[in-house]
Amino acid sequence: GAGVSQSPSNKVTEKGKDVELRCDPISGHTALYWYRQSLGQGLEFLIYFQGNSAPDKSGLPSDRFSAERTGGSVSTLTIQRTQQEDSAVYLCASSRSGGTNTGELFFGEGSRLTVL
Amino acid sequence: AQSVTQPDIHITVSEGASLELRCNYSYGATPYLFWYVQSPGQGLQLLLKYFSGDTLVQGIKGFEAEFKRSQSSFNLRKPSVHWSDAAEYFCAVGSWGKFQFGAGTQVVVTP
Repeated sequence: GAGVSQSPSNKVTEKGKDVELRCDPISGHTALYWYRQSLGQGLEFLIYFQGNSAPDKSGLPSDRFSAERTGGSVSTLTIQRTQQEDSAVYLCASSRSGGTNTGELFFGEGSRLTVL
Repeated sequence: AQSVTQPDIHITVSEGASLELRCNYSYGATPYLFWYVQSPGQGLQLLLKYFSGDTLVQGIKGFEAEFKRSQSSFNLRKPSVHWSDAAEYFCAVGSWGKFQFGAGTQVVVTP
């Protein structure tokens, strides 16, 4: 697609429920990132996928969070047993890779999660 | 560990006036530095980036930034702001695979 696509754009859920957030990166981008943006906070790194390499999960805040990337393209971020503190905007970004690292991240518009 | 500090949470500027947003970083090696802008209801967009070379970097929308190694700073500037520059601005530092973002500076433009 033309840009990074995220769905849903808004999700309201009850505490304790599981949620799945989807990211469709720009075609041809091998790197994919998930960030979390809470009110008044900067962007918090969650996880990074690069090609077929093992993902860098060092930013995931707890074992309730997981992410996968199928076929090197679409990624799903799953939050199990959601808590109110999980309420935030979850941003996905993709980037090219290769011999020249442009370092530019292309962001989606985010999925706003509200946990009641 | 790498970190980014944006000292100003909120800045109000008159349309036509100059703007400077501060960014200080901590990084173990020569950093890659970025400024992103997030307009209301939109995703983050890259304004400019610094990898190496000329320390004064030109970006889109008339923005520029200057890398000062001695001060560990990468401040963003615009000589004359437009109402459409009202947005949140994020400084970021990092290298391939992990980027650290600052908390952002909200810019309000008054007539």
